[in-house]
Order: sequence, then C-alpha cells, then structure tokens
Amino acid sequence: RKEVEQDPGPFNVPEGATVAFNCTYSNSASQSFFWYRQDCRKEPKLLMSVYSSGNEDGRFTAQLNRASQYISLLIRDSKLSDSATYLCVVNSQAGTALIFGKGTTLSVSS
Amino acid sequence: GAVVSQHPSWVICKSGTSVKIECRSLDFQATTMFWYRQFPKQSLMLMATSNEGSKATYEQGVEKDKFLINHASLTLSTLTVTSAHPEDSSFYICSASGGGDLKNIQYFGAGTRLSVL
Repeated sequence: RKEVEQDPGPFNVPEGATVAFNCTYSNSASQSFFWYRQDCRKEPKLLMSVYSSGNEDGRFTAQLNRASQYISLLIRDSKLSDSATYLCVVNSQAGTALIFGKGTTLSVSS
Repeated sequence: GAVVSQHPSWVICKSGTSVKIECRSLDFQATTMFWYRQFPKQSLMLMATSNEGSKATYEQGVEKDKFLINHASLTLSTLTVTSAHPEDSSFYICSASGGGDLKNIQYFGAGTRLSVL
C-alpha cells in the first residue's frame, strides 16, 4: 500500500465550479499534513497546511480526519489559474522528509 | 518567505559525464536538506536526507556512490550525479528546513531538469 494515495484525475471543470480532492495516508503516526500545488515542470509550492479542526484560506478549504486517515481539499469558484496538479503531502516528524502523493490534476476551462 | 536557490535549472549532458547540482538557502540556515527526484507523471520521491557536517542518509534503492551528496555548510548542499546515463534523466528538486520555528516547514528549490543523451 502506498503511503499517500490520491485520485490522479484529471478533473476537468468549468470556471466557477466547486471541486473536491481526497487523499488517504497509511502511517497513523503522521503528524503534519499539507496540500502543495505543482505547475507543469515547476517545483511544488505550499498551498496550505491542514489542521484537525479544518482550515480555510479564501476559496480553499482543507479538512483532516485522523481516525480515517483522510485529507481533503475543496476549491470553490474555480479560476483558470487554479489549473495545476495538487499534491497531498504528509510528514511524520518535524525536520524529516515530506511524503508526497502522486498528485491530482485539475484543469479549469472557460 | 525563505528562499532556496537551486542551480542549474536545466542540464543537458552526454552519457558518462558527471553533473553537479547546487542547493542554497539564501536567508536562513538549513540544518537539513532533502533531495527528491520526480519522473514524468510520478510523485516526488525522496532520494536522500543530508544534515550539515555529516554523511547523507540515502533511501533504499538509491546508490550513494552514484549520487554524491555534500552538505559542507549550513547554506549549501550539492548533489553530483556521477557517470550519468539516460535513465538518470529526471527532475531533481532540493528542499531545505531550518531549525526552531522553521523546522516543520520545507522550502523548495526551483528544480533541475537533467537530460542525459
């Protein structure tokens, strides 16, 4: 079983749509959770951290369910510029390497 | 935010040559740096973890004699791909984390795209 699993997509949605990505992780000792965004042929960039209480940053909402070892990302009112690959990332301990999912590709069209 | 500079951004080389990639933390001291590799349509895979002043820890399946890592200072780590072959063609990305409040945050370099002919 892979450490971090995501639906690879692609998700093709029109502008203004709401889209949700899911992710599961296998290591129950994982402590930190993130969503990164990666554009084609670029490095990953931190989109947001994910907290147990859930957190929101503008149009983006992240949720964490530790019992189910499940992480989600909701994007509301999709923009063309949201087109990218979204990486679910888990960290077992501060200062150690990040574990990346394979990514979910989003394509937003006008 | 903190900046990590990675150089070069793109390398094309002949089979059998060695390629050195540099990763620098520009405005913080990086106690730990990580080297990842990403093949097309695949996730980033950790190659090795390097701590300043000590030997790097390599992931299973990564040849330490082929991928030489040096972390001689708190702001610089280098990855040398020795005797590169076409199968080494990939996107190599470094990241750095600092101590204290920066320990749980990793900052990525822009990546190096290596093409071995």
